[in-house]
Parts: sequence; C-alpha cells; structure tokens
Amino acid sequence: GAVVSQHPSWVICKSGTSVKIECRSLDFQATTMFWYRQFPKQSLMLMATSNEGSKATYEQGVEKDKFLINHASLTLSTLTVTSAHPEDSSFYICSAWDTGFNYGYTFGSGTRLTVV
Amino acid sequence: GENVEQHPSTLSVQEGDSAVIKCTYSDSASNYFPWYKQELGKRPQLIIDIRSNVGEKKDQRIAVTLNKTAKHFSLHITETQPEDSAVYFCAASITPYKLIFGAGTRLAVHP
Repeated sequence: GAVVSQHPSWVICKSGTSVKIECRSLDFQATTMFWYRQFPKQSLMLMATSNEGSKATYEQGVEKDKFLINHASLTLSTLTVTSAHPEDSSFYICSAWDTGFNYGYTFGSGTRLTVV
Repeated sequence: GENVEQHPSTLSVQEGDSAVIKCTYSDSASNYFPWYKQELGKRPQLIIDIRSNVGEKKDQRIAVTLNKTAKHFSLHITETQPEDSAVYFCAASITPYKLIFGAGTRLAVHP
C-alpha cells in the first residue's frame, strides 16, 4: 500500500531555533500533502495544504511566516517551524491523498516536537 | 468550510457490548467519510471508510452507516473487546482535498 515517510519522529529544540520536518511519499506521487498539528488529548487540526510547485494554502489562524511549507517535488513536502517557542510543542503529522491504486489518505508516522 | 462534529467525547462499555459513535458534517459536497483509530503517539489508523454513494459498509465487527440527507454518519462496533480501547476519529472530505477531523471519542472497553 501507499507509504508516507516522516522524519524526524521526535525532536527537541531550544526556544528561538527552527526545526524542519520532512514528509515523503515513497511509492506514489503526491501533488498535494496536508499538515496537521495535534495537541495532547485533542483532535488533528489541519494547518495547511501543501501544493507541489506552488504556495501552500494555510488554514485560518495559522501563521504562514512561522510555519513555512515547501513542496518542491512530487514526493517531498517540508514543514519548518521557525523561531520555535514552547507553545509550538506538539505532534505534527503529514498526510497525502494516494493518487494510485489505494483510495484514501495516507499518514506519516508523525513528529513529536518539544521546544525547551 | 467543512465542520465535523463528533459525539460522544467519551464512551465506556463492558466487553461484549456494542459501541456507537456519531458524527455530523456541514458540507453537503463531502463525499468520503473515513474512521480512524489512534493509539497514543501514533498515526491515525484507518479502520473503515465509506463513500457518499454507499449507505452502509461492514467489516467484521465494524460497520459504518451514512445518511446523506441528514449529513451524519456513524461507527458501530459490535462485541467490543479490551483491545478496542482507543481514541476514534471520524473525518470528512471532498476528495482529494483536505480531510477534516471530528473532535474524537475516547472509547474504554472494560473486561
């Protein structure tokens, strides 16, 4: 089936630094990827839609200058959390719609970000 | 945009009983309704899904029903087992566009 690889699985960074999270579709081309954030005991909240070769579409209330998204190829999307602060600590997870045989959304394994 | 409401937020059942979780969606154009089970710190795991051209789908102990007129869909788990304990999320989308999640239901199955 479709596989989405997400790295790193966990990261600890100092307040004020930036962190990059990668999301790769391994066996299918993903022209669109989705980035979610999940706080403890809460639902997955869509942050933005990443479009290959064009600008990402951000959901209301998500700071586009803080959460930089780049989708430079059909298999790779990156999320950079800039000037991270403790309130950015969360579980970030990417997803892609499988354009191939499998009908559905495939999720990455998630990245646990802790800002200290 | 799409909004998905999910109830109840917590559900406690005895082993062997049935569990039902209900969701409503706002966008009548939505055509895909998956259900996910999520273990702590893990990615959502698809357990069953239904498309808008189908009213009901079943997979062993799990079934999903869809009422397009009322814009609601439900997850039914029969003969619950302790290993069914987890957080369940419903979601809706107009494929292949963004998938919007419900708030989640924490299911506890007691032996």
